[in-house]
Amino acid sequence: QKEVEQDPGPLSVPEGAIVSLNCTYSNSAFQYFMWYRQYSRKGPELLMYTYSSGNKEDGRFTAQVDKSSKYISLFIRDSQPSDSATYLCAMSGTGKLIFGQGTTLQVKP
Amino acid sequence: EAGVAQSPRYKIIEKRQSVAFWCNPISGHATLYWYQQILGQGPKLLIQFQNNGVVDDSQLPKDRFSAERLKGVDSTLKIQPAKLEDSAVYLCASSLHTWGGEETQYFGPGTRLLVL
Repeated sequence: QKEVEQDPGPLSVPEGAIVSLNCTYSNSAFQYFMWYRQYSRKGPELLMYTYSSGNKEDGRFTAQVDKSSKYISLFIRDSQPSDSATYLCAMSGTGKLIFGQGTTLQVKP
Repeated sequence: EAGVAQSPRYKIIEKRQSVAFWCNPISGHATLYWYQQILGQGPKLLIQFQNNGVVDDSQLPKDRFSAERLKGVDSTLKIQPAKLEDSAVYLCASSLHTWGGEETQYFGPGTRLLVL
């Protein structure tokens, strides 16, 4: 069993839709939870960071962490074509960043 | 502020050949990471340096991979000899301090390696 599981998609939505991206994990030691965005042929860039459980909002993006269920989510409101990318969840509690396999999102105009 | 620089951007080699990648981290960043990202997968940490010392190389295939960070700045990652399964994107990242979970890692654009 992988430490971090993420549905690879691909996910295709119309512009303006609400997007939900999710990851599950098995390691109870994870305390830091991140979402990275990776455009084609680019390196990942940090999008959202959350420590422990709870919600965090930044513009159109909301990150949720439910440690009791070992489940994290990223919501994108009013999705735009520029949001088309691969979204990677990542987490740590042991000093090493563990990534999910990424979900490819396409937002169609 | 200049980002993490990597070269070359692309490399095609035949199996059993050797190859080297170079990384220049963000100025002042003490910690440097090399990741391997196979197509359709998330990045996997190969090695982490704190200044010029190795912090974690538990997932580095040491029989064929080697890395160094001279003078605590630039770093090179070498593969010798390469295998078909080494085809991947090799990402370099850096962070300001030793990463304990709260530091942001900044990634370079990666080197795309194809082994034929």
